[in-house]
Amino acid sequence: ETGVTQTPRHLVMGMTNKKSLKCEQHLGHNAMYWYKQSAKKPLELMFVYNFKEQTENNSVPSRFSPECPNSSHLFLHLHTLQPEDSALYLCASSQDKNSAVEQYFGPGTRLTVT
Amino acid sequence: SQQGEEDPQALSIQEGENATMNCSYKTSINNLQWYRQNSGRGLVHLILIRSNEREKHSGRLRVTLDTSKKSSSLLITASRAADTASYFCATGDLNNDMRFGAGTRLTVKP
Repeated sequence: ETGVTQTPRHLVMGMTNKKSLKCEQHLGHNAMYWYKQSAKKPLELMFVYNFKEQTENNSVPSRFSPECPNSSHLFLHLHTLQPEDSALYLCASSQDKNSAVEQYFGPGTRLTVT
Repeated sequence: SQQGEEDPQALSIQEGENATMNCSYKTSINNLQWYRQNSGRGLVHLILIRSNEREKHSGRLRVTLDTSKKSSSLLITASRAADTASYFCATGDLNNDMRFGAGTRLTVKP
């Protein structure tokens, strides 16, 4: 266990559904990240929060909406997704974004959009 | 944005052999990290090497960094079946923004 938990672990949703992914870290970190991992492609950084402030949005479509209510929790709200959004969504945390330190990853949510 | 590119994409070896994976990148970095991922799971940090370092060891892992060639290598010595996983390099730029490559899939046959 890395100290980063994600729920649900698996999610199947239709294109018209609204769902949310949850991430929680118990490490006292101040930075949290959302990544998308598709087969045979590099890990794609989606969003970064540092001290609860969003510092990066890598041209992510608006059907993905992040929320960071506090330094320990991070959500990814999903709305009207497309089949190509099916992927493993990984959450990570680190001490803070401005230090060269390792990131701790959760186990991911396997999302399938039908 | 820059990304590390791992080479080879896939590597299959026998238990006990050494495994070497390479990572190349294009622009200046502050640090480079290696991660491991078991199938369908999250990534686990292995080693961080800073731009002013040339080599680091951790157990059976040895990482080198050559900033003049913009490349790094990860060596796993005396491999075990449990080392079977995907290995990723991640480059941290001068803002500590990290970018991951597509990974090397390592299979260690018992």
